[in-house]
Amino acid sequence: QVQLVQSGAEVKKSGSSVKVSCKASGGTFSNNIDMIGWMRQAPGQGLEWMGGVIPVYGIATYAQKFQDRVRITADESTGTTYMELSGLRSEDTAVYFCAGGLDSRGWGYDWWGQGTLVTVSS
Amino acid sequence: QSALTQPRSVSGSPGQSVTISCTGTSSDVGGYNYVSWYQHHPGKAPKLMIYDVTRRPSGVPDRFSASKSGNTASLTISGLQAEDESDYYCCSYAGSYTLLFGGGTKLTVL
Repeated sequence: QVQLVQSGAEVKKSGSSVKVSCKASGGTFSNNIDMIGWMRQAPGQGLEWMGGVIPVYGIATYAQKFQDRVRITADESTGTTYMELSGLRSEDTAVYFCAGGLDSRGWGYDWWGQGTLVTVSS
Repeated sequence: QSALTQPRSVSGSPGQSVTISCTGTSSDVGGYNYVSWYQHHPGKAPKLMIYDVTRRPSGVPDRFSASKSGNTASLTISGLQAEDESDYYCCSYAGSYTLLFGGGTKLTVL
């Protein structure tokens, strides 16, 4: 059973960057997870896909909205993925989730992290 | 890319059936058979309920079913139970290794 454990809550200033980690326990990416996605949920809003990475290839893709500000990476040796968001503004205050899935799930994410609250203050 | 369109809320009484729609375009919902549905209780991690338009992961009750017609996908929950009260999100592959979520639907069990 794969578990994804995210780093703790962050409080950041406008204009700065935040880097959230997500570690897979119970195995490395190559054995258990074919793709990783990062989503966020702002207060009172819905889930929003920010981008994802296929760990074995190290290929990351991003939603157009975040293309210029987000970077997602995966370290297969430690089973950890990172999401870095730059140019933070108050609207980026949200809970950020990582999630993982298998090819056989057709882009569905079976496993989710617990969420990381990022608060952006001016 | 705009979010997929879902009704903001739906409701039903215990034992009844409800259907949640998810409308996109030919570039996402209509173009691929990669629609998934998530149940999300606030404060918890979302749970995958449906993938590949109609498939249920093991452990998901068969009261949950889904389909797609054209650019609209649908999730039907039959035999509503109190524990089904939650937020539900559709998600579709949108090409070029990208995904798109719907705006979410709040299901109230009356």
